[in-house]
Amino acid sequence: GENVEQHPSTLSVQEGDSAVIKCTYSDSASNYFPWYKQELGKGPQLIIDIRSNVGEKKDQRIAVTLNKTAKHFSLHITETQPEDSAVYFCAASSGSQGNLIFGKGTKLSVKP
Amino acid sequence: EAGVTQFPSHSVIEKGQTVTLRCDPISGHDNLYWYRRVMGKEIKFLLHFVKESKQDESGMPNNRFLAERTGGTYSTLKVQPAELEDSGVYFCASSQGWPTQYFGPGTRLTVL
Repeated sequence: GENVEQHPSTLSVQEGDSAVIKCTYSDSASNYFPWYKQELGKGPQLIIDIRSNVGEKKDQRIAVTLNKTAKHFSLHITETQPEDSAVYFCAASSGSQGNLIFGKGTKLSVKP
Repeated sequence: EAGVTQFPSHSVIEKGQTVTLRCDPISGHDNLYWYRRVMGKEIKFLLHFVKESKQDESGMPNNRFLAERTGGTYSTLKVQPAELEDSGVYFCASSQGWPTQYFGPGTRLTVL
């Protein structure tokens, strides 16, 4: 079955710096890759997603890139702010199954 | 529009007891998913309802877990009898169709 690896498990950056989180997946049938942000005491919130027919997607300070050949996708956050501090999860899904397969999460800390 | 809601937010029970978790999806969402995150590990899929029917229950760990979705609206997840390894955060998500899923805040279950 599908397996999603996520790195790093923790990431500490200075406010204003960029942060990059990387994920790899195993199932070539996966064609949807969302990123979720989970703040303390809350559920995962979808922040950006990408489908396999697109190589890059941007939304203000966040962007996601996808390399189908290498089976990896990355989350890029620019000009980080303290409120970006949270746990970020990548996930993969294929239309045939519908359920999401998650990575183990990355705890991002942005220091003021 | 109200998001996905879950009740209770926390539950502490003794080993061997029964616990029932409830999820109310976003109104009009036919798809309802249950996931679980055990301490420090990835969020794992449990099962998927389409309306009142179980579409995929391949992630259910054993027969101590029973999920229902009467009338295709809210869903309950019962654990009976609870074991120590059942401790974790149980998330519910809903969607109108593949692929975007919206998550609830989760129920933190502690089995002593």
